[in-house]
Amino acid sequence: DGGITQSPKYLFRKEGQNVTLSCEQNLNHDAMYWYRQDPGQGLRLIYYSQIVNDFQKGDIAEGYSVSREKKESFPLTVTSAQKNPTAFYLCASSGQSLSYEQYFGPGTRLTVT
Amino acid sequence: AQRVTQPEKLLSVFKGAPVELKCNYSYSGSPELFWYVQYSRQRLQLLLRHISRESIKGFTADLNKGETSFHLKKPFAQEEDSAMYYCALRGMFSGGYNKLIFGAGTRLAVHP
Repeated sequence: DGGITQSPKYLFRKEGQNVTLSCEQNLNHDAMYWYRQDPGQGLRLIYYSQIVNDFQKGDIAEGYSVSREKKESFPLTVTSAQKNPTAFYLCASSGQSLSYEQYFGPGTRLTVT
Repeated sequence: AQRVTQPEKLLSVFKGAPVELKCNYSYSGSPELFWYVQYSRQRLQLLLRHISRESIKGFTADLNKGETSFHLKKPFAQEEDSAMYYCALRGMFSGGYNKLIFGAGTRLAVHP
């Protein structure tokens, strides 16, 4: 199914390396989001972008960076400065309708050893 | 502060039993509440939103502003309801941006 795609599904990295997670959407949505999902903590917002070339820090942005050069794409880089990077990462997008539903990708599980 | 609280990490019931997943929120403005569900090996998806006042898969949720609650209910649980459920609040960032604030989630396990 289309909508939002994230790649890869599983990612393994050595400590100290930066890694970039891909998120692409074909829903023509203006807004895109990155969340981190940890057991018992729900979803925590890392970064979000309302329009191209603009993005804002979420609640846990330290150690992460993003870019929004195209409407369809919102890649997330997990840098070596992120102290606990092993997690499940979810990307989402939403339109500007009043109903404000966020559509989620399948997620990327990152393991850093 | 804007916050969503789901007090139960796990709710375990038998098939046919009633289900109530609790959600309380803290928000100074006019809230917009959602329930999202994540079935095993599937992506997170919207289950229902309070403004629609709809019943989806037999689930309903009523916004109670007095008790600041948005509990999810179903009269007769089915095994296929087993999933992770997240309550979410639409909040406002400074600058006028919207965001969703999620609770920690409740895992519903329906046993045969």
